Amino acid sequence: AQTVTQSQPEMSVQEAETVTLSCTYDTSESDYYLFWYKQPPSRQMILVIRQEAYKQQNATENRFSVNFQKAAKSFSLKISDSQLGDAAMYFCAPLGQNFVFGPGTRLSVLP
Amino acid sequence: DTGVSQDPRHKITKRGQNVTFRCDPISEHNRLYWYRQTLGQGPEFLTYFQNEAQLEKSRLLSDRFSAERPKGSFSTLEIQRTEQGDSAMYLCASSLEVGEAFFGQGTRLTVV
Repeated sequence: AQTVTQSQPEMSVQEAETVTLSCTYDTSESDYYLFWYKQPPSRQMILVIRQEAYKQQNATENRFSVNFQKAAKSFSLKISDSQLGDAAMYFCAPLGQNFVFGPGTRLSVLP
Repeated sequence: DTGVSQDPRHKITKRGQNVTFRCDPISEHNRLYWYRQTLGQGPEFLTYFQNEAQLEKSRLLSDRFSAERPKGSFSTLEIQRTEQGDSAMYLCASSLEVGEAFFGQGTRLTVV
């Protein structure tokens, strides 16, 4: 069974600043993908970024990047130049044989 | 619209009644997932299908819950004898065998 831990229930960041959301997971699988999803108040989940576990290079998508440490089973999300529209719940999700989500981090962006 | 669609968007039912929700995945996706989400929490995995085969069910899924995916296309989630604790958002997602999941907008269930 997979478990996912997001140790920061809430985070806040000043607009234009950088924030890092943490995620650790436990899995027995060797081949998997990891995802960060965003859920704005409208509640539809939106994919933010994905990382293939077999790739050593960290994924980057515009202002979003990850720090993937496979041995430590750590997968943090960095948001640079934070914008008001980044305010949402963020969920970490490693994909193996099923799709287990972390408990989420609520991010507030302060003007 | 070629995304994942769920119907209905909202459902209010009396305790003890049965309800059924429908999910239409993205057409070429062979995996389909059901999740339950309560306010302020992460989605809880309920079950998933690979084509028409239901491959895993969470222990959260009591015998009052049943899901089907006939012909490997749309899926239904039925809750029998609803209880107030069943009130939640029910999310459906679909994916290719390996890839990110695309979510529908969810069905919000309120049991009164």
